[in-house]
Amino acid sequence: AQKITQTQPGMFVQEKEAVTLDCTYDTSDPSYGLFWYKQPSSGEMIFLIYQGSYDQQNATEGRYSLNFQKARKSANLVISASQLGDSAMYFCAMRRFSGGYQKVTFGTGTKLQVIP
Amino acid sequence: GAVVSQHPSRVICKSGTSVKIECRSLDFQATTMFWYRQFPKKSLMLMATSNEGSKATYEQGVEKDKFLINHASLTLSTLTVTSAHPEDSSFYICSARGELAGKYNEQFFGPGTRLTVL
Repeated sequence: AQKITQTQPGMFVQEKEAVTLDCTYDTSDPSYGLFWYKQPSSGEMIFLIYQGSYDQQNATEGRYSLNFQKARKSANLVISASQLGDSAMYFCAMRRFSGGYQKVTFGTGTKLQVIP
Repeated sequence: GAVVSQHPSRVICKSGTSVKIECRSLDFQATTMFWYRQFPKKSLMLMATSNEGSKATYEQGVEKDKFLINHASLTLSTLTVTSAHPEDSSFYICSARGELAGKYNEQFFGPGTRLTVL
C-alpha cells in the first residue's frame, strides 16, 4: 500500500530559525514524486517544492529545501529563516501512477507555529 | 503558478437539498481535475478523479450517486452533493492538472468550499 507518514502533529519554531518537518513514505513503485504543500488558515493549498524519485540532487526553492533520503524513504522539508507568515499546516504528498492516471496521497499534516 | 477558482467559497444548506460546487481553471486547460474532502484538522482525502469528457473515477467508499462529478470542459468541473445531510458537512477542495501547467506537472488547488448542512 502507498502511504505517507507525518509523525509531528505540531511544531514550534522561533522566528528566523530553521525548522525541519518530517515525512516518510512507503511505495513499491520505482517512479514517484514527492510534494510539500502549505495550507494557511484560509484553506488554500500552496505548492512549495517537488522531488522526483530519480532526481539526484535535493530540491530547493528559496527558503525551502527537501532533504531526500531515498534509501530511508524520507523526504523532510527544511524551512530556513522562519517567518511569522510560515505559520500554517504543512502536508507532504506522494504522486504515483495508478491505473493509467496520476494519484496523489497526502500525509496527515504538521501544524507549524512560528514564535516571534 | 496556475490559478484555480472555486465557487461558492462557503455554503449553508438545509438537510435534503442538493448543492453544486464549481471548480474552474482560469489560465490553463485542466485535463484532469481532482476532488478532495478535508475534515477539520485532518488530511485531504481524494474523492474522485475526472478527466475531461469522461466519467469520473471514484475512490473506494465514495458514493457515486451522492457526489456527482461532471467535467464537461477543459476549464470546468462541478461537484454536486445530492440530498445533503449534516454528515456531508466538510471542506471540499478541487485541484486541477494540465499538460502545460506547472513545472513539475503538479496539481493546482482551488481555495476550497466550506459546506455546512443544517
